[in-house]
Amino acid sequence: EIVLTQSPGTLSLSPGQRATLSCRASQSVPSSYLAWYQQKPGQAPRLLIYGASSRATGIPDRFSGSGSGTDFTLTISRLEPEDFAVYYCQQYGRSITFGQGTRLEIK
Amino acid sequence: QVQLVESGGGVVQPGRSLKLSCAASGFTFSSSAMHWVRQAPGKGLEWVTVMSHDGRHEYYADSVKGRFTISRDNSKNTLFLQMNSLKAEDTAVYYCGRGHHTHTSTVSYWGQGTLVTVSS
Repeated sequence: EIVLTQSPGTLSLSPGQRATLSCRASQSVPSSYLAWYQQKPGQAPRLLIYGASSRATGIPDRFSGSGSGTDFTLTISRLEPEDFAVYYCQQYGRSITFGQGTRLEIK
Repeated sequence: QVQLVESGGGVVQPGRSLKLSCAASGFTFSSSAMHWVRQAPGKGLEWVTVMSHDGRHEYYADSVKGRFTISRDNSKNTLFLQMNSLKAEDTAVYYCGRGHHTHTSTVSYWGQGTLVTVSS
């Protein structure tokens, strides 16, 4: 099983700042089959990024994904108030597993 | 628009069974892979199972293999999850989700979830 470790556990930033979230895999993720989701309290998750760097339908371009192999990054270029949430990475190259999440909170 | 509505959750004793349903609308259900993903209270996401669009292929997380069964009725646009031999650690909100049209192992649309509580 591929284990995904997200860091940091909590990230405290202000609106307008840049956020960088990390997702590290215990072994190489085949074909960069890595996705990112956003979840707000009391809501279902929302797909942001698939294939490591492709934005899902309707996702603003301030969200971008990068990486390959074992190291992946979600970047939010300029934080909007609605971006404060929990973010999960998911690999689907070998079975399907999620990371434990990064909480992005307002500083 | 895409709608996924889960039902069937509730309180069940350990060792008993429960069957969840997910009614789909707003898209071509018979062309979409479908997933179940769960989230224990206050915890992260755990993928449970996926079924291909035609029902020919299904895959499970090790934690539920042999106890849970996914199925679908494409004539009724409905997805199911039969859960047997339930354990306390199966307590979670269960989400059904539509697989992305190209990266089918990602979940592009999610229902609002149904809560399953396993407790005596």
